[in-house]
Amino acid sequence: GAVVSQHPSRVICKSGTSVKIECRSLDFQATTMFWYRQFPKQSLMLMATSNEGSKATYEQGVEKDKFLINHASLTLSTLTVTSAHPEDSSFYICSARNTNAPLHFGNGTRLTVT
Amino acid sequence: AQKVTQAQTEISVVEKEDVTLDCVYETRDTTYYLFWYKQPPSGELVFLIRRNSFDEQNEISGRYSWNFQKSTSSFNFTITASQVVDSAVYFCALSENNFNKFYFGSGTKLNVKP
Repeated sequence: GAVVSQHPSRVICKSGTSVKIECRSLDFQATTMFWYRQFPKQSLMLMATSNEGSKATYEQGVEKDKFLINHASLTLSTLTVTSAHPEDSSFYICSARNTNAPLHFGNGTRLTVT
Repeated sequence: AQKVTQAQTEISVVEKEDVTLDCVYETRDTTYYLFWYKQPPSGELVFLIRRNSFDEQNEISGRYSWNFQKSTSSFNFTITASQVVDSAVYFCALSENNFNKFYFGSGTKLNVKP
């Protein structure tokens, strides 16, 4: 069964609003979670690394004020897309790392900004 | 710098044909991990295999087999007797020793026609 739960799976929002996506590790504690973005027919690009209790580390070119990441507990990380615009429409997928094990990926969130 | 190349953008085969998906990687690390993931149309990433850099043994799992050759920096994936359910996008990925960062290839879309 799924070990990483991502919610919601789909969201449609209006331009200018903010959207929060949750990523939960279900049966293990994840000190580190990762957020990826996938444009249509393209690969997954790492956006940021989320560490519990500290600030996220963003990849070059990713706006930290645009994509707010909060890793409040060992089982939950959230990604908030602030003031969303149509160009933010994408597939967002999180992953969580358990010590010495393959990364577990969530099922992804398809965001559409109208 | 780490890099994963999947030169085949899209492959179409007829059911029961064998198909090989190519993956070539670049890294300066001596210890690293290679992965294959399947992404069906629904979007989730399905883990298929992990191989560390010190284990060049080829692996077979049912209709799936993997050929890891460090000499050519390749980690190719073969599906034998393909089935329609194998239709998906397949990603090859490289991870550093601590799994902190994944580098994904651009993916190969496999179409298996009945």
